[in-house]
Amino acid sequence: EPEVTQTPSHQVTQMGQEVILRCVPISNHLYFYWYRQILGQKVEFLVSFYNNEISEKSEIFDDQFSVERPDGSNFTLKIRSTKLEDSAMYFCASSERQVNYGYTFGSGTRLTVV
Amino acid sequence: GDSVTQMEGPVTLSEEAFLTINCTYTATGYPSLFWYVQYPGEGLQLLLKATKADDKGSNKGFEATYRKETTSFHLEKGSVQVSDSAVYFCALGNQAGTALIFGKGTTLSVSS
Repeated sequence: EPEVTQTPSHQVTQMGQEVILRCVPISNHLYFYWYRQILGQKVEFLVSFYNNEISEKSEIFDDQFSVERPDGSNFTLKIRSTKLEDSAMYFCASSERQVNYGYTFGSGTRLTVV
Repeated sequence: GDSVTQMEGPVTLSEEAFLTINCTYTATGYPSLFWYVQYPGEGLQLLLKATKADDKGSNKGFEATYRKETTSFHLEKGSVQVSDSAVYFCALGNQAGTALIFGKGTTLSVSS
């Protein structure tokens, strides 16, 4: 069964450093997403991406965040200057069609900011 | 705005017991409803979905019926197994947007 692949599975970074989280969506999917889950809390939407541009973003997705699909297969989330409160599990997802049909999520990247 | 409310956990059951996890929602329009499951150390997996009122989603013995009149999408399973131990998330997707809105999750623990 096709999978969404995320790397790395765990990343530790110092506060103020830039991090890039990487995702390879399912190949025929057109919609891409990032979500995060702070430990023990709900899963929160960050951003959706379609046709090489952001479709929708949440209040969490401020100027410190950016997304890119650099080469037609990877989908990345960059956090420019990490803060302690960015520590969370970050999930990438993709879907063939829009949200009504559900997504396929990756296994996540656990980001720890120290 | 749109929201999802799930029953607080954890839910602790013995093997073969009946499971219900309550989920209610608030949304404009006609959202699609989903249950996702997160096994320990893993990502979110789509368990089942329903896209319109009175639809019943089912998978792996789990069922949920989209009830517009009560704005609910309760998850049920007739006989749980130890392997069902996980966190279960109710979510909605509104046609007006692209985001899924999740509930807080309910932890299920099944003992043999």
